[in-house]
Amino acid sequence: DGGITQSPKYLFRKEGQNVTLSCEQNLNHDAMYWYRQDPGQGLRLIYYSQIVNDFQKGDIAEGYSVSREKKESFPLTVTSAQKNPTAFYLCASSIAGTSEHTQYFGPGTRLTVL
Amino acid sequence: AQSVTQLDSQVPVFEEAPVELRCNYSSSVSVYLFWYVQYPNQGLQLLLKYLSGSTLVKGINGFEAEFNKSQTSFHLRKPSVHISDTAEYFCAVSDRRSQGNLIFGKGTKLSVKP
Repeated sequence: DGGITQSPKYLFRKEGQNVTLSCEQNLNHDAMYWYRQDPGQGLRLIYYSQIVNDFQKGDIAEGYSVSREKKESFPLTVTSAQKNPTAFYLCASSIAGTSEHTQYFGPGTRLTVL
Repeated sequence: AQSVTQLDSQVPVFEEAPVELRCNYSSSVSVYLFWYVQYPNQGLQLLLKYLSGSTLVKGINGFEAEFNKSQTSFHLRKPSVHISDTAEYFCAVSDRRSQGNLIFGKGTKLSVKP
């Protein structure tokens, strides 16, 4: 089955720790995205990548970092600089370079800071 | 700049009643429009999309939406809802200049009561 996987499903972090959220896709999509979801806020874009070894900041990139070394993988690191990291994190992918903008989402990771 | 407004944060309805979830957008160019559904603690699933052509778009689970360019709206409708339709629904917009990035509304929680 083609799709997007995110791990872990639940993640607990102590204050001051960095944590990395995994996102893998086998859809052969060029573009990948990370969103943060808070209750009543909708989805806010953290980072996106249109091609391997390239990525751009979204609307709320401060306190986060990413890498895109492989087409199928786009891990997100939540650093200690992110002051309020407790949220639901969603990864998505899409075909790039066409008029088709449909994004397909993974199941999400819920991060809680203790 | 693009924006999306979902006019109702919560919509309670009784089972088998019709429902309309409202979405208005702002954009200065031709748009692509999407509706996604999210069940608790899960990722987003595409319900339907408008890219071009017929303004009435049919999606999964019996939902449909109508693109109205003059009113800049893309309202989601279902003639008869089921308990299993209880979820959060997100409207999103992009355009040919956005490199595939989506702007999401803040969501509408549909609660179907027996």
